[in-house]
Amino acid sequence: QKEVEQNSGPLSVPEGAIASLNCTYSDRGSQSFFWYRQYSGKSPELIMSIYSNGDKEDGRFTAQLNKASQYVSLLIRDSQPSDSATYLCAVQNTGGFKTIFGAGTRLFVKA
Amino acid sequence: EAQVTQNPRYLITVTGKKLTVTCSQNMNHEYMSWYRQDPGLGLRQIYYSMNVEVTDKGDVPEGYKVSRKEKRNFPLILESPSPNQTSLYFCASSLETSGKDEQYFGPGTRLTVT
Repeated sequence: QKEVEQNSGPLSVPEGAIASLNCTYSDRGSQSFFWYRQYSGKSPELIMSIYSNGDKEDGRFTAQLNKASQYVSLLIRDSQPSDSATYLCAVQNTGGFKTIFGAGTRLFVKA
Repeated sequence: EAQVTQNPRYLITVTGKKLTVTCSQNMNHEYMSWYRQDPGLGLRQIYYSMNVEVTDKGDVPEGYKVSRKEKRNFPLILESPSPNQTSLYFCASSLETSGKDEQYFGPGTRLTVT
C-alpha cells in the first residue's frame, strides 16, 4: 500500500464548476498536510496547508482534513482554465522531517 | 529575490561519470531536501538536512550522497550514475523543521544518464 494515495486522473471539469481532489494516507501519526500545484515543466508551489480536522478556506480553495479516516481533500470552486495542473498531496511525518508526496492528480478545466 | 537555485538545469551524462547538482537558497532556511520526480511515482525524497552538518536519508537514498557544509548550499552528488537515475530532480527548502513550514522548490534539474 502506498503511503499517500491520489487518483491520478485526469479529472476534467467545466469552467466554473467545483473540482474535488482527494488523498488518503497510511501513517496515522501524520501531523501536517499540504496541497501543492505543479504546472507542466514547472516546480511545485504551495496551495494550502492544514494541520487540524475540519475545513480551511483560502479564496477559491478549501482543504478538508479527517484524521480518523486518514483523508485529505482539496476543493476548487469556480474552476478556471488556469487551474489546469497536477495537484500533489503531501504529508509530513510526526517528526516533521520526512515528507511523502502522492503521485498527483491531473486536473483539466475546460473553457 | 528570495529563491532556490539549481545548476545545471539540464544534464546528459554517461554511466559511471561522477556528477554534482548544486542547490542554493538565499532565505536563511534551516531545512533543505532533495527529491526526484518520475512519471506515475510522484516526488520521492532522496535526502534531507535539518541544519548545517545534519543530514539524513529519505525514501530513495541509494546511489546518492549529500553534504551541508554551509546553511545556504546542499549539493547532490552521484558518484557513479546509472540509467535508473535518469529523472527530474528538485531541491527544496523551508524556514524551520517544525513540520508546518511550506517548502520552496527550485526550478528542477533534468538528468539523463545513458
